[in-house]
Amino acid sequence: KAGVTQTPRYLIKTRGQQVTLSCSPISGHRSVSWYQQTPGQGLQFLFEYFSETQRNKGNFPGRFSGRQFSNSRSEMNVSTLELGDSALYLCASSTRLAGGSETQYFGPGTRLLVL
Amino acid sequence: AQTVTQSQPEMSVQEAETVTLSCTYDTSESDYYLFWYKQPPSRQMILVIRQEAYKQQNATENRFSVNFQKAAKSFSLKISDSQLGDAAMYFCAYRSAGTQGGSEKLVFGKGTKLTVNP
Repeated sequence: KAGVTQTPRYLIKTRGQQVTLSCSPISGHRSVSWYQQTPGQGLQFLFEYFSETQRNKGNFPGRFSGRQFSNSRSEMNVSTLELGDSALYLCASSTRLAGGSETQYFGPGTRLLVL
Repeated sequence: AQTVTQSQPEMSVQEAETVTLSCTYDTSESDYYLFWYKQPPSRQMILVIRQEAYKQQNATENRFSVNFQKAAKSFSLKISDSQLGDAAMYFCAYRSAGTQGGSEKLVFGKGTKLTVNP
């Protein structure tokens, strides 16, 4: 079974632009979560989607948004990019069983550099 | 809010020896899950081991085992017979065991960089 895939793997943008990152979960997984990883702040939760609905959101400004499609693929969008948005963006998927007992599996990440 | 603390930013171990990485967490919940993830230079986060808080028995996965002390809110990872391929960042993570509507949000520690010396 193929793992979690993320595209693109690397991205360079300039301040003020917007960017869309994509995540395809493992086949059969309906839950997708996004994390931002930076050297200063570490790994921080962005948001979580299940069955096309946002279930939880981290403490990020409204410039960060996401969505999930009917095939469970997810996208996250960052508008009006700032230098501080430079980070590794990780996506994780799981089957999301009742009670949250299922393990999340991570993709390889998208490295975003904002100049 | 839950927090996870890894007090050792860096650790080193000789190949074939044993090393223990520390993790403490703070929560008011009684039911939760704890994880250790490994992140090699490739940046791919790989699950090493998981522990359900309701289980008293410590989880083991081959050379990896944990020492879970629920009362002390401690969750250390022991790596036996260390191999060069074990060199990576190791992250301890916490997740609430919610009801069906609960979140899958993982709360991570800052990580411990493990170096394995030949």
